[in-house]
Amino acid sequence: KQEVTQIPAALSVPEGENLVLNCSFTDSAIYNLQWFRQDPGKGLTSLLLIQSSQREQTSGRLNASLDKSSGRSTLYIAASQPGDSATYLCASEGYGGSQGNLIFGKGTKLSVKP
Amino acid sequence: NAGVTQTPKFQVLKTGQSMTLQCAQDMNHEYMSWYRQDPGMGLRLIHYSVGAGITDQGEVPNGYNVSRSTTEDFPLRLLSAAPSQTSVYFCASSYGAAGSTEAFFGQGTRLTVV
Repeated sequence: KQEVTQIPAALSVPEGENLVLNCSFTDSAIYNLQWFRQDPGKGLTSLLLIQSSQREQTSGRLNASLDKSSGRSTLYIAASQPGDSATYLCASEGYGGSQGNLIFGKGTKLSVKP
Repeated sequence: NAGVTQTPKFQVLKTGQSMTLQCAQDMNHEYMSWYRQDPGMGLRLIHYSVGAGITDQGEVPNGYNVSRSTTEDFPLRLLSAAPSQTSVYFCASSYGAAGSTEAFFGQGTRLTVV
């Protein structure tokens, strides 16, 4: 059974700092790995999706990498801003009968201080 | 473009009552799923559907029923509400098959069972 872990559970940084959020998964047979952002009381917003054949994806100040062999993904946020404060979730999607179903980590709550 | 729409946003039920949480998407997505989010537990899959007329159980299906009569709609029924079903419920959809499988989430339904 796939298990997804995110460390740390919470992170507080000063504005402008570059930071890395970590995600690990136990089963490397994944279809893709997605990173989401969740603001308090809101739904999830997809940030980046990395297909299993890809190594990384970039969107603006965000860069996500995927290393299936080690079961790890990282989300890099450059030049953090107070508006980046939110909970960041990673989720893996499996093949076959598991396709379409996401296994989530418990998230990293990020606070960026002005 | 509405995306994924969930209704209601908030609901209070008495133990033993039944209700249906509505979910609709306008993106012609094949895959739809329901998750519940609880503090310390993360998001867990309740039921999912890979197309109209096809549904299956996820990790925590007990006490819930689903049906998928159309591509657009995927309602979640609570048969006899229990306090343990107090949670935030999210509906998600994705394209499935070939192409991007980015998942889109609704804004959630916050359910309290007293």
